[in-house]
Amino acid sequence: KNEVEQSPQNLTAQEGEFITINCSYSVGISALHWLQQHPGGGIVSLFMLSSGKKKHGRLIATINIQEKHSSLHITASHPRDSAVYICAVPQGGSEKLVFGKGTKLTVNP
Amino acid sequence: DAGVIQSPRHEVTEMGQEVTLRCKPISGHDYLFWYRQTMMRGLELLIYFNNNVPIDDSGMPEDRFSAKMPNASFSTLKIQPSEPRDSAVYFCASSLPLAGYYNEQFFGPGTRLTVL
Repeated sequence: KNEVEQSPQNLTAQEGEFITINCSYSVGISALHWLQQHPGGGIVSLFMLSSGKKKHGRLIATINIQEKHSSLHITASHPRDSAVYICAVPQGGSEKLVFGKGTKLTVNP
Repeated sequence: DAGVIQSPRHEVTEMGQEVTLRCKPISGHDYLFWYRQTMMRGLELLIYFNNNVPIDDSGMPEDRFSAKMPNASFSTLKIQPSEPRDSAVYFCASSLPLAGYYNEQFFGPGTRLTVL
């Protein structure tokens, strides 16, 4: 079974800071998924990536397949970025996802 | 498209009662997933369907849980009898198949279940 570890569990930053959230997994995968869960509970897909880097606005996701590691970066963080960020990987080549426990980010003004 | 629709959004019931959660996936999506989220265990997959057929129900905690997908636009997750430890947020998600590559899942707003 693929194990997914995220760090840190909690992160507090000041507005404008550069944020990095890490995700490591134990079994080789074809793609990795970053999700955002807002304080209201809704879950939104941010990125799905299998190699290299993807960028969307102030969010950047990178993955190193050999090292089984991915990072999510937020540049110029803003209070509206406050959410739980969850990393997920497929289980055993199937459609099943295994999730990390999430990183709770709080950005203070 | 309206996205994945779940009902009810909140459910409060008493232990021993039957609970039915409902999900309407995005039109055209072949995969449907039921997840449970708790503080202790995070997000967990309960069961998923492909073209209305259950593919993997290994995450269903016990026989009190059952799920059906009678057609491409509707699925239910039933708990009978419910217990306080079933209190959680239940998410439904759907996705398109994309051969040779894992595909993005679209989540519904969730149903917050409280069993007293």
